[in-house]
Amino acid sequence: QSALTQPPSASGSPGQSVTISCTGTSSDVGGYNYVSWYQQHPGKAPKLMIYEVTKRPSGVPDRFSGSKSGNTASLTVSGLQAEDEADYYCSSYADNKGVFGGGTKLTVL
Amino acid sequence: EVQLVESGGDLVQPGGSLRLSCAASGLTFSRYWMTWVRQAPGKGLEWVANIKEDGSEKNYVDSVKGRFTISRDNAKNSLYLQMNSLRAEDTAVYYCARNRWMDYWGQGTLVTVSP
Repeated sequence: QSALTQPPSASGSPGQSVTISCTGTSSDVGGYNYVSWYQQHPGKAPKLMIYEVTKRPSGVPDRFSGSKSGNTASLTVSGLQAEDEADYYCSSYADNKGVFGGGTKLTVL
Repeated sequence: EVQLVESGGDLVQPGGSLRLSCAASGLTFSRYWMTWVRQAPGKGLEWVANIKEDGSEKNYVDSVKGRFTISRDNAKNSLYLQMNSLRAEDTAVYYCARNRWMDYWGQGTLVTVSP
C-alpha cells in the first residue's frame, strides 16, 4: 500500500480551528470507513484520537472531529489549545493491512 | 487498564536477528487483533504487521515480508515479532498496539541496526 498524503505542517492561534487533510485512494480511504487519527507528542507513543472516520474514543475532547469526502479524510481541531501542538497521523486499513500518512506537525501560534 | 509493554530492542549488526515481545495486561488478549508499528528516528509512523485473534491470519508491509514473522501466545498474553536479516533501514522504535485501528499503544522498544 502507498502512504497516505498529509500536509507536512499546519498552524493556528489559540481558540481557532484547524483542519488537517489525509488523501488516499478508493482502495483505502475512499473505499472503507476505516480511517483513524493519532496524536503524538515528542518522545511519546501515539494516541488514538479518532477511529472509523468520525468516532471519538472515551476521554478525547469533542474539540476533535473527523470527516471524509471521497478519497480524502479530515481531522478538525476546534478551539485550539497549547497542548494540541503535536504531530498528527492518519491511518487506514484495507484487506486487514494498514497504512499511515506521512504526518502533519500542528503548531499553535 | 490496558497496558502493553514492549521489550527485546537492542543494537544488532546488519544481517542479524532479534525477537521483540509485547506483554499485554488489562484486556482479554485473545479477543483482539494485534499490530506492530515502527518509527525510524525523526520520521513518521510505519505500519509493519498485524495478526488475527487466533493467529490464523498475518499481514505484513512489503518491506519486511520474508524477513519478519509476527506471532502470538494467547495463553501468555504476549505478542512477538521475530526479525531476521536486519538492515540499517529497520532501525526504529517498535510499538505494539491493540486492534487493527490501534486504540492502545505500548511505549515502544528501540531497535538499532548498525555495524
